[in-house]
Amino acid sequence: EIVLTQSPATLSLSPGERATLSCRASQSVSSYLGWYQQKPGQAPRLLIYDASNRATGIPARFSGSGSGTDFTLTISSLEPEDFAVYYCQHRITWPQTFGQGTKVEIK
Amino acid sequence: QVQLVESGGGVVQPGGSLRLSCAASGFTFSSYGMHWVRQAPGKGLEWVAFIRYDGSNKYYQDSVKGRFTISRDNSKNTLYLQMNSLRAEDTAIYYCAKDRIALRWGEFFDYWGQGTLVTVSS
Repeated sequence: EIVLTQSPATLSLSPGERATLSCRASQSVSSYLGWYQQKPGQAPRLLIYDASNRATGIPARFSGSGSGTDFTLTISSLEPEDFAVYYCQHRITWPQTFGQGTKVEIK
Repeated sequence: QVQLVESGGGVVQPGGSLRLSCAASGFTFSSYGMHWVRQAPGKGLEWVAFIRYDGSNKYYQDSVKGRFTISRDNSKNTLYLQMNSLRAEDTAIYYCAKDRIALRWGEFFDYWGQGTLVTVSS
């Protein structure tokens, strides 16, 4: 199975700062990489699909980039509601797998 | 609006069985692939199983193959997960989730239920 490795495990930032999250795949997933946000006690929410496309209703401060094995989720200016855990996921083959998550916490 | 409501979770002894259900509404259920995803307490997300919109193809995480069965009843707009030979490591919140695009498979998940907790313990 394809292993997705996210870094860093925790990102401590202040509101208004830029967040850069990384996801690296053990083999190429082409552009079939997505990002989800999960807040405590809630189900995950799709942010980005196919590496760089924002899902419906997702603010423009969220952007995704990358292809092959290296991907980035960028939050241009953190809002208070953005502090959460972020997961990447691929869909190129079965089993689909998730990264272990990056927690974005308030500094 | 799209709604996915899971039910059927609870406490079960190791080796026992449970059947989870996911009632769908607000979209044409029979046109979308569906997934089960789980999350152990305090841990990350793990994809469990997928069923194609017409039920013709199913895929499973290796750790549940031969023990779990995904199915659907398009006449009832309901997704199921039959879980047998349960182990302590199956303890998790189980979410059902919907494919983003109709009549495709292996898509990302644009809607999720609120989850149902399965606890395997003696």
